[in-house]
Amino acid sequence: DTAVSQTPKYLVTQMGNDKSIKCEQNLGHDTMYWYKQDSKKFLKIMFSYNNKELIINETVPNRFSPKSPDKAHLNLHINSLELGDSAVYFCASTITGGELFFGEGSRLTVL
Amino acid sequence: KNEVEQSPQNLTAQEGEFITINCSYSVGISALHWLQQHPGGGIVSLFMLSSGKKKHGRLIATINIQEKHSSLHITASHPRDSAVYICAVRSGCGGANSKLTFGKGITLSVRP
Repeated sequence: DTAVSQTPKYLVTQMGNDKSIKCEQNLGHDTMYWYKQDSKKFLKIMFSYNNKELIINETVPNRFSPKSPDKAHLNLHINSLELGDSAVYFCASTITGGELFFGEGSRLTVL
Repeated sequence: KNEVEQSPQNLTAQEGEFITINCSYSVGISALHWLQQHPGGGIVSLFMLSSGKKKHGRLIATINIQEKHSSLHITASHPRDSAVYICAVRSGCGGANSKLTFGKGITLSVRP
């Protein structure tokens, strides 16, 4: 059973479209994150949620809207996609301050 | 200047060699993470440490809080160790609002 699962793994779409990536963890963790990995493999925090509450919003354009319906889920919706949004998006979860568990990543390509 | 610096940037080794990857940081931290990412693959947490040394199989991680420096050692390296190794530091007190800052990662290739 996958601990942190993301869907879809691959997403190819046109500029201007709206898309969502879903993340679910079955570890009972209280904190979930979205990270963006650019073409140079550099990881950067986008958002973190603790017990469904937004804790970190790292100056991400407001076209990106995370939603956490419950502690086990953190989804990412992106409006009006731009070329620069092409990246791999990783979801992760942890007990507060603990070891991180990552999903397998969702590769988004905007054409 | 990135808050987390890793060296060397790229590393090639022969199978069986002892490998050391370094990480230096400039901020106060509550913990340091070593992560591994295989080509085209997901990210796996290798270690989380806040002091001393940890060992798991052929991997050893050490941290010196005073010098703001950590090393990841791989003994008896194997081609399957070929991956990107990423150092990340958790700032602040480690609470829910603490965040991870990542190094740029080091690409390790182990030749058979």
